[in-house]
Amino acid sequence: ETGVTQTPRHLVMGMTNKKSLKCEQHLGHNAMYWYKQSAKKPLELMFVYSLEERVENNSVPSRFSPECPNSSHLFLHLHTLQPEDSALYLCASSQAPGPGNEKLFFGSGTQLSVL
Amino acid sequence: TQLLEQSPQFLSIQEGENLTVYCNSSSVFSSLQWYRQEPGEGPVLLVTVVTGGEVKKLKRLTFQFGDARKDSSLHITAAQPGDTGLYLCAVTTGGGNKLTFGTGTQLKVEL
Repeated sequence: ETGVTQTPRHLVMGMTNKKSLKCEQHLGHNAMYWYKQSAKKPLELMFVYSLEERVENNSVPSRFSPECPNSSHLFLHLHTLQPEDSALYLCASSQAPGPGNEKLFFGSGTQLSVL
Repeated sequence: TQLLEQSPQFLSIQEGENLTVYCNSSSVFSSLQWYRQEPGEGPVLLVTVVTGGEVKKLKRLTFQFGDARKDSSLHITAAQPGDTGLYLCAVTTGGGNKLTFGTGTQLKVEL
């Protein structure tokens, strides 16, 4: 138990569906992240929120839309995805960016399949 | 070209064997982290190394940061099935806590 909970654990969706991934952290952190993990590719940073402000958008297509309503919750809204978006989506949290605060705590991920 | 290249990509060994995996780059880093990701879970931080030449031990795992702070190695002594997983190195790039991960080494330890 890392203190970061992601739901759902598995998701299958069609290309025309709209779905959302949810992440909740119970660690008192104030930075949250979305990473994408595809087969045969390194973990890719998608978005970073610090103190509820988006501070990083790593050239992610607009069909992925993040939302951070407070420092404990992070969402990733999905719409009109493509089959190549099938991957493990990992949420992570940390203390606010700063020296010595680089340790990330990850959730278990949502395994997404787009048909 | 990946910022962090890890080798080998896959490793399958028997219980009790020793192994070393590597994380290499042409860039210099202020620190480097090692994570382990077990099947069906997210990565979990094992260690952070910050000083060139630094050696850290975590039970049967020995981590070393290269003198020039461009590379690192992870040595496992007497591997056990519980060591099975994906080993990832990561460095902070840009500002804040933006971590860039390596390509990973998938380790399988069999009985």
